[in-house]
Amino acid sequence: DAKTTQPPSMDCAEGRAANLPCNHSTISGNEYVYWYRQIHSQGPQYIIHGLKNNETNEMASLIITEDRKSSTLILPHATLRDTAVYYCIVRVANTGNQFYFGTGTSLTVIP
Amino acid sequence: DTAVSQTPKYLVTQMGNDKSIKCEQNLGHDTMYWYKQDSKKFLKIMFSYNNKELIINETVPNRFSPKSPDKAHLNLHINSLELGDSAVYFCASSPAGLSPLHFGNGTRLTVT
Repeated sequence: DAKTTQPPSMDCAEGRAANLPCNHSTISGNEYVYWYRQIHSQGPQYIIHGLKNNETNEMASLIITEDRKSSTLILPHATLRDTAVYYCIVRVANTGNQFYFGTGTSLTVIP
Repeated sequence: DTAVSQTPKYLVTQMGNDKSIKCEQNLGHDTMYWYKQDSKKFLKIMFSYNNKELIINETVPNRFSPKSPDKAHLNLHINSLELGDSAVYFCASSPAGLSPLHFGNGTRLTVT
């Protein structure tokens, strides 16, 4: 069901930027890209979402390529508390509010 | 102040039993969901409810039944529990439109 592909795991040094890639080559024109993270079996936490323009909020930045086939979530200054599984989700626009989660990227921030 | 709350947090029971997990949201959202996360950490949607009507049911066994007494609650009833039902179950809610989901902290169900 998931329409995204992410690397299974990544490491990042504390204080450095974490860049998490996501491929969504079959995305439709009216589908948004959402990012969530899950810290140690807690409930998934919303981070950011976008359609085609780059987005930034207090947590992260989202860069979407011009063809919309891929995106990158950027955590500008990773901390140990950012260690989590990060999910990139394409919202299926024609099925209500369905969110299909893929396997995600397990990010480990290293001291 | 918890936006989406689930009870219980842990549930251990034997095969064949019937159990319920409760979910409440105080966000005034229109839609509520149940997700199942198995041992491989894959999150799969089970149900969503909008204005007390089931709008999506993802190939879930009919032993599972969502019940919504009002817009703020979506409880999950499970009959004749099986070993394979062991998982973490997450409740979530969202307002209408493209707004993101808000998740509860999950209920870890263990069937022995």
